[in-house]
Amino acid sequence: KAGVTQTPRYLIKTRGQQVTLSCSPISGHRSVSWYQQTPGQGLQFLFEYFSETQRNKGNFPGRFSGRQFSNSRSEMNVSTLELGDSALYLCASSSRTDRTDTQYFGPGTRLTVL
Amino acid sequence: TQLLEQSPQFLSIQEGENLTVYCNSSSVFSSLQWYRQEPGEGPVLLVTVVTGGEVKKLKRLTFQFGDARKDSSLHITAAQPGDTGLYLCAGDDNFNKFYFGSGTKLNVKP
Repeated sequence: KAGVTQTPRYLIKTRGQQVTLSCSPISGHRSVSWYQQTPGQGLQFLFEYFSETQRNKGNFPGRFSGRQFSNSRSEMNVSTLELGDSALYLCASSSRTDRTDTQYFGPGTRLTVL
Repeated sequence: TQLLEQSPQFLSIQEGENLTVYCNSSSVFSSLQWYRQEPGEGPVLLVTVVTGGEVKKLKRLTFQFGDARKDSSLHITAAQPGDTGLYLCAGDDNFNKFYFGSGTKLNVKP
């Protein structure tokens, strides 16, 4: 079974620009979560999508948004980029169908904002 | 508020030594996962524990889930340089949320 894939792996943008990151979950997984990871803050939850609906949201400004398509693929968008948005953005998928639910992570997208 | 507290935050040991990493919470989790992450990569799942008191062994790694399903430990025997990385625990509250600990950064020196 193929793992979680994220594109692109690396991205360099300048302040004020916007960016879209993509995540393809493991086949059959309907839940996709996004996390921001920085050295100072660790792993911070952004949001979770399940069957095309946002089910949970972390404490991030409205500049961070996402969506999920009918094939469970998900995109995350950050508008009006700030220097502090530089981070590793991780996507994780899970089946959310049984008690032993587990999240499986992609390799991440390294975003650098100049 | 950090639901899951990991300790220690940093650990630097010599090859061959044993170590234990702890993951503690006041909340009950339906399952708990341990991940290892290398710089610039996503966390890789090591194990999922589900039953209170459960012990799982993965070669030199031993994972334990507390009886009350609030805490967990990871013990590594005879650590090797290849064990170096960030170890993360994560709990599933069974209400659509995963909570992550702040991580333990392990460095094993040859």
